[in-house]
Formats: sequence, structure tokens, C-alpha cells
Amino acid sequence: DAGVIQSPRHEVTEMGQEVTLRCKPISGHDYLFWYRQTMMRGLELLIYFNNNVPIDDSGMPEDRFSAKMPNASFSTLKIQPSEPRDSAVYFCASSPIIRRQETQYFGPGTRLLVL
Amino acid sequence: RKEVEQDPGPFNVPEGATVAFNCTYSNSASQSFFWYRQDCRKEPKLLMSVYSSGNEDGRFTAQLNRASQYISLLIRDSKLSDSATYLCVVNTGGFKTIFGAGTRLFVKA
Repeated sequence: DAGVIQSPRHEVTEMGQEVTLRCKPISGHDYLFWYRQTMMRGLELLIYFNNNVPIDDSGMPEDRFSAKMPNASFSTLKIQPSEPRDSAVYFCASSPIIRRQETQYFGPGTRLLVL
Repeated sequence: RKEVEQDPGPFNVPEGATVAFNCTYSNSASQSFFWYRQDCRKEPKLLMSVYSSGNEDGRFTAQLNRASQYISLLIRDSKLSDSATYLCVVNTGGFKTIFGAGTRLFVKA
């Protein structure tokens, strides 16, 4: 298996522009997660899906952020409009359910810089 | 108080040393616990799950103390390749996952 795939790997944009991050989870995994990592705040869970349905979006920082999962093999995280404080590494992760230990498999991340 | 707290380090140890990290969590209803490893500019990867009875995987031993609400990771016979950031992870129910800020480890030759 290719693992979790994210694109783009790097994104540089200007403040006010729309940014769309993409993720393809591991086939057969029922859960998909979006995280953001910064030096100041560490790794934060933004939202997660189960069987394509958003379950908990309490970590989404504000209305400028939205996430969708139109099918089991694709998800997007959109920021509109982007701001410099959105600069971070955004990780997507997926997980099967194995007993009660929910291992998460992370993608390589998208490094976002908003100027 | 943060939900999951770790000593950020860095821990600088020589090869062959034994090093231990602790992590405390605030939610007594937390259900599952993990240690993840993150190399510089890479994604986090699961190192090991932490069971109530404690568990060992080669040079790595993880323990859980529910009464005191902490988990620990012990690395024996440290290798240069163990240099990384170690993330304590707590699941508070469903898939509500809280990551600690991480403990940085440098193993020196």
C-alpha cells in the first residue's frame, strides 16, 4: 500500500488567497483525520471523519476552514481566505479499527506558508 | 493546564544510555494511550501502544499509571537512530486524540 497521500507537499500563497489541501487515505480505513502542527501549538486535531461523515470538527479554528470527504478515497481541507497565521504543516491521517487501539497512519504533510 | 503534558527536553544522552520520558494527562476518563515518534520534518509514526499491564518492544518499554494519570517510555541501550521527538498521545473517547507537545531526544556518539 502507498500509505496516506497528501498534495501538494508544499504551498506558498499570499494572504487572502484560497488554499485547498488534498488527502487520499489508506484503502479500507474508515477514519480520516486532519491535523495542524506549529511550533507554538504542537499537533492539533482539526476534524475527523468516519465513513465519510464529519464526526467532530471542534478543532477547526474558525469559519475560514472547511473540510469535506466526498468519498472514501478523498478528502479536502480548504482555507478561504488564508492568513499568515495559518502557516503550518497540515497532516492527514487515516485509521482502521483494530480492537480498541486506534493506530493512526499519517501522510507526509503539506507545508503551508501564507505571506 | 494542558490536557497532555510532556517535558520538552531536549534530552542529550550518549549511545548506550538508558533514558526515560514521562507524560501526564488530565482527563481521568482517557481510554487509550500511545507513544509516537516524529523525526525532523517528517510525519509522526506510531512507536507503541501503552497497555494497563505495561508492554515491551525490544529496547522500548511503555507503562501506564492510571491512578497518577501518567504514562512513561523507557529506552534502553540508546542508538543514534533513536534521536527524534517522542509524542505522548491520549485518546479521550471515540477518536478524540490529544497529542503532547513532544520530548526531543538527541543521542550522541
